[in-house]
Amino acid sequence: SQTIHQWPATLVQPVGSPLSLECTVEGTSNPNLYWYRQAAGRGLQLLFYSIGIGQISSEVPQNLSASRPQDRQFILSSKKLLLSDSGFYLCAWSPVRGYGYTFGSGTRLTVV
Amino acid sequence: AQKITQTQPGMFVQEKEAVTLDCTYDTSDPSYGLFWYKQPSSGEMIFLIYQGSYDQQNATEGRYSLNFQKARKSANLVISASQLGDSAMYFCAMRAQKLVFGQGTRLTINP
Repeated sequence: SQTIHQWPATLVQPVGSPLSLECTVEGTSNPNLYWYRQAAGRGLQLLFYSIGIGQISSEVPQNLSASRPQDRQFILSSKKLLLSDSGFYLCAWSPVRGYGYTFGSGTRLTVV
Repeated sequence: AQKITQTQPGMFVQEKEAVTLDCTYDTSDPSYGLFWYKQPSSGEMIFLIYQGSYDQQNATEGRYSLNFQKARKSANLVISASQLGDSAMYFCAMRAQKLVFGQGTRLTINP
């Protein structure tokens, strides 16, 4: 069966520090991968999505970047965090064919 | 452009009552999918139900049903016989080019 792993679960980082959040999918190949951010009490905002290795689409200009070095690995990064980067980050995957979207357990990032 | 609107920031319902969560959408794509997710306080996103734009019948999954009115561009979630464990945030989402979420409705079930 397919599983999605996301870590860490919580993270407290100082302003100006770098960030690296990792997401991996098991049990499938060539998944579509997504990074979403959720501000407190709000809906999910799509940040990046990827349909293949090295193929990244950015939805919102911001302080973040994404990379997909391997088929089932999706990384969210920042060189210098801002206070406004705080939030709940969710990784998700969907099959190339089919409608299901499966989410990871999320990372709660607090920038202080 | 895709847009999802959930107009109910919060709802309070007595246990065992039915509840309807509203969702309207807008897209120019003829092919799209509509989703409902539940997000408990733990933060995980739990898939509840899916409706395709070409599906003739309303989707049902156990106590969940989706009232799909294509002409009105609405996709309301109906939860029958609500339970205390149904208390959570509920998100409507639409996939045309990409999966876009509404702002959510916080549902509280009172005993």
